[in-house]
Order: sequence, then C-alpha cells, then structure tokens
Amino acid sequence: DAGITQSPRHKVTETGTPVTLRCHQTENHRYMYWYRQDPGHGLRLIHYSYGVKDTDKGEVSDGYSVSRSKTEDFLLTLESATSSQTSVYFCAISVDRGANTEAFFGQGTRLTVV
Amino acid sequence: AQSVTQLGSHVSVSEGALVLLRCNYSSSVPPYLFWYVQYPNQGLQLLLKYTSAATLVKGINGFEAEFKKSETSFHLTKPSAHMSDAAEYFCAVSDSRAAGNKLTFGGGTRVLVKP
Repeated sequence: DAGITQSPRHKVTETGTPVTLRCHQTENHRYMYWYRQDPGHGLRLIHYSYGVKDTDKGEVSDGYSVSRSKTEDFLLTLESATSSQTSVYFCAISVDRGANTEAFFGQGTRLTVV
Repeated sequence: AQSVTQLGSHVSVSEGALVLLRCNYSSSVPPYLFWYVQYPNQGLQLLLKYTSAATLVKGINGFEAEFKKSETSFHLTKPSAHMSDAAEYFCAVSDSRAAGNKLTFGGGTRVLVKP
C-alpha cells in the first residue's frame, strides 16, 4: 500500500455540511491525487498536488477543495456536501520507478451524503 | 484529451476458461497504459503496465496484455481463470511516464468466475 492511510474509512453526513477527508503518506512522495469512484465511470480525478501548497484541478473538481500544508498530508474538503458527492474516494501517490512511474492507491473512503 | 473504453461492464467466465477483458484508448500522444485490479472493499492494485518497450506485457497473477497501436487496444487476458480472479478490473491511460502523470480510467469490468 506504499504507506498510504485514508481517514475516515466510512462516513455518513448530511446535505449541506462540510466534510474533510484525509490522506496520509509515510514516504514523502511529491505527487498526490484524489479520485472518486462511481459505477460505470471508473475513477475520475478530482484534484492533485505536486508539492506543498501546490495543487491543481482535475476532471471533476467542482464542489471540492484541497490543501497540502505538509508533504505527508493531502486533505480533500467538500465545502457543502450534496447527494451527488456520495461516492468512494481514493487517494493515490505517484512513485518514481526510474524509467517510469507507478501509482499506488489507498484503501478508499466510502462517503454517503443523506 | 485522453479517453478509455472498456467493453462490457460485467464478464462471467467458468473456472479454467480464458479471461479476456477489452480496452480501447484514445490519445493524441504515445500512450502509457495500465491495468489495475480491485478486490472488494480494497484499493487498486497494479496488474501490469505498457511503457513503450515490448508490446506484449506480462503482469502478476498470470495476466498479460498486448498493445496494438493500429487497433488502439490494450486487451487483458489470462489463459485459465481462477476463483481468486473475481474482482473489478480497470484499464487506464497516461500521456506521460514522468512523475506526476495523471491517469484516465475506463469504466471498469467486473469479473465473475463460476465454479
């Protein structure tokens, strides 16, 4: 699992409330990503980070924000949760393997917005 | 922009039979292609990757995939299915093998293995 921990693993929240998901890595990799997984869509990129305080938007960034104040932590915030954000969220890191890189994924956070 | 299409959201195979999962991609640059497997309630695990070396790529657990540029395909196969192969499989493409590459995923194919 390349030292990736996501928390919480499960969460139920109410519509309109803010929610923060945490991704923690133990190996100081530069690149970190947040994806959401929905049936039929595979995984879609929400936001990614290429260093402390350096982040950028992915394919489905509306309604989400991120922060990275330390190399090891990448936070995903749903500013005002909606039912359409019910999903499984995965954090990933990009590991340099010399000639190419490989992505490693966390165990996922199942978020339900009611 | 890149895209990935996986034909068939569900595949059912008998134990011992061939597993064939189809993946077609669209990319404006030479692609780097990946297959991932996801077991229930777990994250994604890399099965294999194509990074412009050999077109036939061997991965873990007896899986292999062949890159065919003319067909823009990267189909995944395993000669003989095992019960433990029941999982969801994702094909993904990246436009770069450099650090920081972002992945675009297909919709996934769930494999059911019948005894």
